[in-house]
Amino acid sequence: AQSVTQLDSQVPVFEEAPVELRCNYSSSVSVYLFWYVQYPNQGLQLLLKYLSGSTLVKGINGFEAEFNKSQTSFHLRKPSVHISDTAEYFCAVTRGGSNYKLTFGKGTLLTVNP
Amino acid sequence: GAVVSQHPSRVICKSGTSVKIECRSLDFQATTMFWYRQFPKQSLMLMATSNEGSKATYEQGVEKDKFLINHASLTLSTLTVTSAHPEDSSFYICSAKIPGTPTYEQYFGPGTRLTVT
Repeated sequence: AQSVTQLDSQVPVFEEAPVELRCNYSSSVSVYLFWYVQYPNQGLQLLLKYLSGSTLVKGINGFEAEFNKSQTSFHLRKPSVHISDTAEYFCAVTRGGSNYKLTFGKGTLLTVNP
Repeated sequence: GAVVSQHPSRVICKSGTSVKIECRSLDFQATTMFWYRQFPKQSLMLMATSNEGSKATYEQGVEKDKFLINHASLTLSTLTVTSAHPEDSSFYICSAKIPGTPTYEQYFGPGTRLTVT
């Protein structure tokens, strides 16, 4: 079975500052990793995913994440955040393959202040 | 992009009553939909996988007689919480996937906040 730990429940930052949202996973098999964003009153939206290949994955809205197998991490980063990035961010993992369910972390609330 | 809607967005019901939540795929047909539950400060927990035209597959520990799932068409799945109790108060989220795509490619609805008084 897989599990996901998001180390920070809340991350407040100022506008234009860099941000890193941390995610660690546990699995005994190969995994696929995902980051989702949830804006208020909206459904989860896929930011980026790692399936294979390059460990640095770029997503929408200027976000990127790096898969680190040795540290079992998949941290999300953005060099300069905007007010509009304020949202809940979820890290998720699934077993490598096409038909396995997603396991989510508890989420990190990113609040960008002016 | 693929859009999934849920109705209602919020519902309050009295203990002992039943409430139905709808999940619709608006611009694609979905043979498979998923129902999740999210408690405050907790992760999304998969409750069941809903397959059009067949019985839903429930996750371990989910009461199938309490959480009735019906996937009667390619664009609609419903979750009925029967004899609701305050401990059923939660945020319920559905998702759907396009046929032939991997399970991890799900499109999520905005969720339904259920409060049982």
